[in-house]
Amino acid sequence: EVQLVESGGGLVQPGGSLRLSCAASGFTFNNYWMNWVRQAPGKGLEWVANINQDGSDIYYVDSVKGRFTISRDNAKNSVYLQMNSLRGEDTAIYYCMGASFDYWGQGTLVTVSS
Amino acid sequence: QAGLTQPPSVSKGLRQTATLTCTGDSNSVGDQGATWLQQHQGHPPRLLSYRENNRPSGISERFSASRSGNTASLTITGLQPEDEADYYCSAWDSSLSAWVFGGGTKLTVL
Repeated sequence: EVQLVESGGGLVQPGGSLRLSCAASGFTFNNYWMNWVRQAPGKGLEWVANINQDGSDIYYVDSVKGRFTISRDNAKNSVYLQMNSLRGEDTAIYYCMGASFDYWGQGTLVTVSS
Repeated sequence: QAGLTQPPSVSKGLRQTATLTCTGDSNSVGDQGATWLQQHQGHPPRLLSYRENNRPSGISERFSASRSGNTASLTITGLQPEDEADYYCSAWDSSLSAWVFGGGTKLTVL
């Protein structure tokens, strides 16, 4: 059974940092691109970033460039999202998504508020 | 970044057919087609169709996707109560090097 389990969300003040983790199981992790997708409360989906199989190809949505960093550890079947200089508009559920939208985690809530 | 355009809401009767649309441009939908996702309230999205009409195993044949130019469509036949959900399209935008989403369509089954 495919599982993606996110962790690391929580309440953080504006300007603060958080590191999200996503642990994958049930599929050959190092064969697939991995993504982070977020959803603000009551809003639609927004793609955040992705990383290719060996970490050599990475893309970001414009609004997080220079603030967020995606990375992966294939030995640990995990993908990460380091989020710095957080803003109120970053408040959302962050989903880990794998392959071609096939695999989704349950999401972890990030709240940026003072 | 430019997104895709979806109607905010569609309402259809039980057992009827609904067609949801998603409009992009030649760099997104017109290039490699659209991916369609279904999301029920409080749950993560579920893949329905990936680029054109590649349906994952376990997805009902009642869901079919197509594309004409820069507009993609998702057709749902024989509407059931459980089809009531939010539907999102997405496409890789080659000019932005980014995945873009539509704003979502809320489907109501009357």
